[in-house]
Amino acid sequence: QSVLTQPPSVSGAPGQRVTISCTGSSSNIGAGYDVHWYQQLPGTAPKLLIYGNSNRPSGVPDRFSGSKSGTSASLAITGLQAEDEADYYCQSYDSSLSGSGYVFGTGTKVTVL
Amino acid sequence: QVQLVQSGSELKKPGASVKVSCKASGYTFTSYAMNWVRQAPGQGLEWMGWINTNTGNPTYAQGFTGRFVFSLDTSVSTAYLQISSLKAEDTAVYYCARFDGAPYWGQGTLVTVSS
Repeated sequence: QSVLTQPPSVSGAPGQRVTISCTGSSSNIGAGYDVHWYQQLPGTAPKLLIYGNSNRPSGVPDRFSGSKSGTSASLAITGLQAEDEADYYCQSYDSSLSGSGYVFGTGTKVTVL
Repeated sequence: QVQLVQSGSELKKPGASVKVSCKASGYTFTSYAMNWVRQAPGQGLEWMGWINTNTGNPTYAQGFTGRFVFSLDTSVSTAYLQISSLKAEDTAVYYCARFDGAPYWGQGTLVTVSS
């Protein structure tokens, strides 16, 4: 089961700003581990949007931005476009008594109205 | 540039085995661990574990012990995922991925288990 919680869905009109939250705990995001964000279109591999909490790979529009605070992280999409309609996942690392490893968020479907 | 290229889709019968390959290029293969991620149809991403590409030592996440085996052929910069005694619930897309630093992913391999 996912240890990072995301809202199942968010929606917005073209041009609007939407944010996706990724809520973790003291054993993952709160422990200082980096958060990455991915966009996944149907039938394709996850595409890296943000790495290391707030860094954009080359080629990713600056409409996408990431932030982290405490035990949570957020992805913001400004100037929402029809092509942004996709599933979005956060990722971090978790280290607890039961073991360590990478963890993913539950996923958020973004709908452009 | 870093590339992870996976083998093609597989259709297997229940009880059979499958071996998925992931060929890395654009970096020193043994400098970064290789991870495996599963995505069942309509579901989210699930980390399966990783293999130390220096020592070959694998680490499996909960739920991926027993029938799942990670291996390497460092001479060709390739990581492998083998699944034995396949079940219908193993039907999924399997990804290899490098997570140290900026993440890189393979394109995914669809494994379908059906009689």
